[in-house]
Amino acid sequence: DAKTTQPNSMESNEEEPVHLPCNHSTISGTDYIHWYRQLPSQGPEYVIHGLTSNVNNRMASLAIAEDRKSSTLILHRATLRDAAVYYCIPRGVGGTSYGKLTFGQGTILTVHP
Amino acid sequence: GAVVSQHPSWVICKSGTSVKIECRSLDFQATTMFWYRQFPKQSLMLMATSNEGSKATYEQGVEKDKFLINHASLTLSTLTVTSAHPEDSSFYICSARLLGRQGLNTEAFFGQGTRLTVV
Repeated sequence: DAKTTQPNSMESNEEEPVHLPCNHSTISGTDYIHWYRQLPSQGPEYVIHGLTSNVNNRMASLAIAEDRKSSTLILHRATLRDAAVYYCIPRGVGGTSYGKLTFGQGTILTVHP
Repeated sequence: GAVVSQHPSWVICKSGTSVKIECRSLDFQATTMFWYRQFPKQSLMLMATSNEGSKATYEQGVEKDKFLINHASLTLSTLTVTSAHPEDSSFYICSARLLGRQGLNTEAFFGQGTRLTVV
């Protein structure tokens, strides 16, 4: 599995944009980059995923570096409900890990009112 | 989106007893479900992959005789923690993938988790 590096924690003010970075320098060419988030005392929730091109959905945007060694999850206007742990997960076919999601430590996002 | 439901949401049991946790896909079929465990202030750790109609595949270090997994239908997988001890107290989470959508570019759906406390 590709290793990921994310900041342990980040803070934001409500209504401001948030950029959550993730380094995945060992990612393979066929790995998709998935982002999930986990609100307190809940199971993870899918946010967004992409392969090469930047992606947008109703929750967030995903900016993928041209060399694919890093990506950034963008929350355009943070709300208090966005306070969660955000996980960046490369998902590929390597070895026995097909289809599995391997969670790292993630980034704890705190949103201030 | 697809809904995965776990039951119970929380359970307290005595040491030495067994506890069963259910994971249901409510509006879709899932040939594969995954079971995770999460200790306080730690990340999710995959315990096992549950396949409908066949034996589960356990991750290294997970005792298959202690954590019994049954996936008898396309909408239900169960995890039974046998002879539970206080160190088994944790947050257990299941995940399911839609039948026919196993590709790398598809999302996983998670249950709300089950908080197990063994006293």
